[in-house]
Amino acid sequence: ETGVTQTPRHLVMGMTNKKSLKCEQHLGHNAMYWYKQSAKKPLELMFVYNFKEQTENNSVPSRFSPECPNSSHLFLHLHTLQPEDSALYLCASSQDFLDTQYFGPGTRLTVL
Amino acid sequence: AQSVTQLGSHVSVSEGALVLLRCNYSSSVPPYLFWYVQYPNQGLQLLLKYTSAATLVKGINGFEAEFKKSETSFHLTKPSAHMSDAAEYFCAVSVGPQGAQKLVFGQGTRLTINP
Repeated sequence: ETGVTQTPRHLVMGMTNKKSLKCEQHLGHNAMYWYKQSAKKPLELMFVYNFKEQTENNSVPSRFSPECPNSSHLFLHLHTLQPEDSALYLCASSQDFLDTQYFGPGTRLTVL
Repeated sequence: AQSVTQLGSHVSVSEGALVLLRCNYSSSVPPYLFWYVQYPNQGLQLLLKYTSAATLVKGINGFEAEFKKSETSFHLTKPSAHMSDAAEYFCAVSVGPQGAQKLVFGQGTRLTINP
């Protein structure tokens, strides 16, 4: 499989649930990103990892917890989310920060 | 601060007509600029990028964009629209210090093609 994959594609969860989003890139890239895409708002960068080290946390609430065990995998752990956290969560990767970012198809999250 | 503004959240053109999607940026240093496209239920895909080489950049699917420093613009054009071009288009600028850059995206422009 090539490119950037994300699972699950759709997720519905209650505010008290704990779930995780998974991203995997098969491109040999060094940097990985989590973005949040909400209706009528610009794409928001949440976290950046470079060589497995977190280099950016864009003032994201602690109910979102990223994990990068290696440069091919990126997780976003979710707990006690709010309805306003419902959005499309996109993962991306790039060889370097100024290089083209390759995006996965996203996980559509709905928080009830 | 560096940012990017896309003028018009919705653009509608007829099939075969010129497509023009506007993007203006603010930057204190020469920027790297990108256009991405997002089709329904998919992630973003790179159309083209400017990296301080030629000011006219050609991308995929017949799109091109021209970097105009004096106007701080990077508008996206295509001479003849196809139905398959219907999608959302995002302009983005790289910001930040060397080795720690990130992308800042515009709010997006939804392109509709009328038959």
